[in-house]
Formats: sequence, structure tokens, C-alpha cells
Amino acid sequence: DIVLTQSPALAVSLEQRATISCKTSQNVDNYGISYMHWYQQKPGQQPKLLIYEGSNLASGIPARFSGSGSGTDFTLTIDPVEADDIATYYCQQSKDYPPTFGSGTKLEIK
Amino acid sequence: EVQLVESGGGLVQPGRSLKLSCAASGFTFSNYYMAWVRQAPKKGLEWVATISTSGSRTYYPDSVKGRFTISRDNAKSSLYLQMNSLKSEDTATYYCARQAITLWFAYWGQGTLVTVSS
Repeated sequence: DIVLTQSPALAVSLEQRATISCKTSQNVDNYGISYMHWYQQKPGQQPKLLIYEGSNLASGIPARFSGSGSGTDFTLTIDPVEADDIATYYCQQSKDYPPTFGSGTKLEIK
Repeated sequence: EVQLVESGGGLVQPGRSLKLSCAASGFTFSNYYMAWVRQAPKKGLEWVATISTSGSRTYYPDSVKGRFTISRDNAKSSLYLQMNSLKSEDTATYYCARQAITLWFAYWGQGTLVTVSS
């Protein structure tokens, strides 16, 4: 199985930029598509899709969120961070079955 | 508006069975792959099962293969997860999700909690 590694937590000041990383144990690109996706989960809520296929913004998601990267190194950027962004962020790969998730990065406000 | 509403969770003893349901609305259910994803208390997300549009193909991780069965009824816009031989490590909130063809999860239900304990 492909393993995804995320830092447990990140503290950022409001109005600043948050950069959340995800590293995979294998290349998750294929034919020009990055099979990397990002979700936001607030306490007590279900996950919400933010970014799909590396850099595509999901419907209704503000442009403050963006995704980048390729191969085995990916980044979710939130710029600027707002108070409502306090949540845990998960990356997920779908290059191979089984689809696997990172352990999540909890975004905290300094 | 896409809506996914799970039901059927609860407290069950180890070794027993439970069947979860997910009622879908707001989209053409029969056009989409569907999946179940679970989250143990205070833990991360784990994919549990996927079913094709017609139901002819199903996929599972090794952790539940042979114990869990995903199914669907397109006429009722409903998704199911039959869970047999439940173990304490199956304790989790189970989410129903609409799956894209490239295997990301566009919409999620609110989840239903399954607790396996004696």
C-alpha cells in the first residue's frame, strides 16, 4: 500500500499563509495526472473535498485554497488563513488500490 | 443539492453482524461509483469498500475483505454495507461517499457510529 506522511500539526497566524505537506512512499502521478486529493475536516463534521487531482479546486471552495506538487511531494496552501479554517487536513492518493489517506495535519492559530 | 444520509449504526457485540444503509438524493445515483470510508475515534480516515455503478464490481482492503459486503439498489438510490464477524477494531464512524472515477470522494454523508463491544 502507498503510505502518505503528514506532519501532525501546524500553527499559523491569521492572515498569514499555511503550507501543509504530504509525502508519498511511491509516485502517484500517471499520464500527467497527480492522483492526490485534499480534504478538510472540522470537529464533529464529515470530511469535505477541497482539491482533487493535485491542483483542481472543488466546487464551492474559496480560491484561498490551492494544491501543488507532483510525484511524491505535494502541498496544500491556504493564503490567507482565516479563523474558519481551523480543522484537520487530510491528503489522499488514488493512484493504486487501496486508496490511502495521510494521518492528517491539524491547523492551529498562533 | 447532493445529500447522503447514513443509518443503521449502533452498539454490537464482537462476532455479530450489522447492516448500514445510505440514502442518496440530489444526483443520478446510478451514474456514480459509491464508497464507504470509516474513521475510528480520534483517528484518521480508512477506505472500506467501493462499488461500481451497476454493482457488478466491488473492491475492499484486506482489513475487511471476506467480512464486509458493499451493495446498492439503484432503483432506491441506496447504498449498503453488510458487516459480519465484527471486531473491536471495526469501531468507527462510517461515512457513505460519492466516488469519482479517479477514486476521490466528492461528497460525504454525516456518518453513522458503529461500536463493537461486549
